[in-house]
Amino acid sequence: EAQVTQNPRYLITVTGKKLTVTCSQNMNHEYMSWYRQDPGLGLRQIYYSMNVEVTDKGDVPEGYKVSRKEKRNFPLILESPSPNQTSLYFCASNPFPGGNTEAFFGQGTRLTVV
Amino acid sequence: GQNIDQPTEMTATEGAIVQINCTYQTSGFNGLFWYQQHAGEAPTFLSYNVLDGLEEKGRFSSFLSRSKGYSYLLLKELQMKDSASYLCAQVNSGYALNFGKGTSLLVTP
Repeated sequence: EAQVTQNPRYLITVTGKKLTVTCSQNMNHEYMSWYRQDPGLGLRQIYYSMNVEVTDKGDVPEGYKVSRKEKRNFPLILESPSPNQTSLYFCASNPFPGGNTEAFFGQGTRLTVV
Repeated sequence: GQNIDQPTEMTATEGAIVQINCTYQTSGFNGLFWYQQHAGEAPTFLSYNVLDGLEEKGRFSSFLSRSKGYSYLLLKELQMKDSASYLCAQVNSGYALNFGKGTSLLVTP
């Protein structure tokens, strides 16, 4: 089954404790991206990747890192989480950017930083 | 990101028709998506428009006017399960998706 898998689904952590949210897709998609969703603000792009070893900042990259060592995986790293990073996070993949290719979203990771 | 405007909330009756509007900045336009999102779940694809006109898919249709920077999503024969947020998203010149804040639709009996 074609899917985007994020882990964990829920996470409560403390300020400053490094964490990684994993994202994996099995559709051989080139383009992957991370979004955060906050009430009243909608989905905002954090980082995206056009292909292996190619990553770039989205609209709200501060406090986050990503890597794309393999095509299928695109982990989101919070080196020193802070309470303002409490949010619902979504990973998404597209066959390639642009065109009429729909984005496939993971099921989301609800992160709470205390 | 570029400004995408859509109403915050709408309410409609089961069986009725509802139109959700979306306006966007016309510069750097590369297409417009509509997604549906139920509370706490992932967005799911509804429609894509890149040329002017109406795209119909069963009970859902989407319209685009590139010169006006305007799109709408039309939902017919509303069902209770259509209660969800509807997200308008513009593909910009960098091929990133810029999302609006979403329209929360409540379908009442």
